[in-house]
Amino acid sequence: QKEVEQNSGPLSVPEGAIASLNCTYSDRGSQSFFWYRQYSGKSPELIMFIYSNGDKEDGRFTAQLNKASQYVSLLIRDSQPSDSATYLCAVIFSGGYQKVTFGIGTKLQVIP
Amino acid sequence: NAGVTQTPKFQVLKTGQSMTLQCAQDMNHNSMYWYRQDPGMGLRLIYYSASEGTTDKGEVPNGYNVSRLNKREFSLRLESAAPSQTSVYFCASSGRLAGSYNEQFFGPGTRLTVL
Repeated sequence: QKEVEQNSGPLSVPEGAIASLNCTYSDRGSQSFFWYRQYSGKSPELIMFIYSNGDKEDGRFTAQLNKASQYVSLLIRDSQPSDSATYLCAVIFSGGYQKVTFGIGTKLQVIP
Repeated sequence: NAGVTQTPKFQVLKTGQSMTLQCAQDMNHNSMYWYRQDPGMGLRLIYYSASEGTTDKGEVPNGYNVSRLNKREFSLRLESAAPSQTSVYFCASSGRLAGSYNEQFFGPGTRLTVL
């Protein structure tokens, strides 16, 4: 079975620090990778997507993809208390067309 | 645009009762999805519809049925509710753009309790 693995946390970081969230996936042929943020009691919302090896930056967020090692990560620079949420890694496996598989999510707590 | 809407927001059922969760999107998306989210289990795909007129099973389809009524609407039916179906249910939609980009837009969720 194709899987997406994340540490459920919580991951606690002080305000202003870099938060590093990691995700591994089982299907070497996967092509599309996403990070969703979910506040408590709310629905997930997309914050980053990445398709190619390397880094992709968007404001304080950087997604990193390493297909050879089958991991994708999300860095949040200058973490703010408003970043406290659960971050879901999502992958479209090879042959999965538009079917997305989600990890269990990592809960991030930013301490003021 | 309302995006993705779901009704109801909350529901309590007794074991064996049936109900239908409604979902509609106004973004002209081809694909729609139903997920359930349980503590420690993440989002799990129940059923999806890649386009109007088609539906396919996801990871956890047992106990559920779906109907893609038209391009806008995708409903989820529980024929005989069981306590194991207590969960938060999310509907989502996505539209295929140039390339493989596939952002999913989620509705606000339905919190279902089966007693």
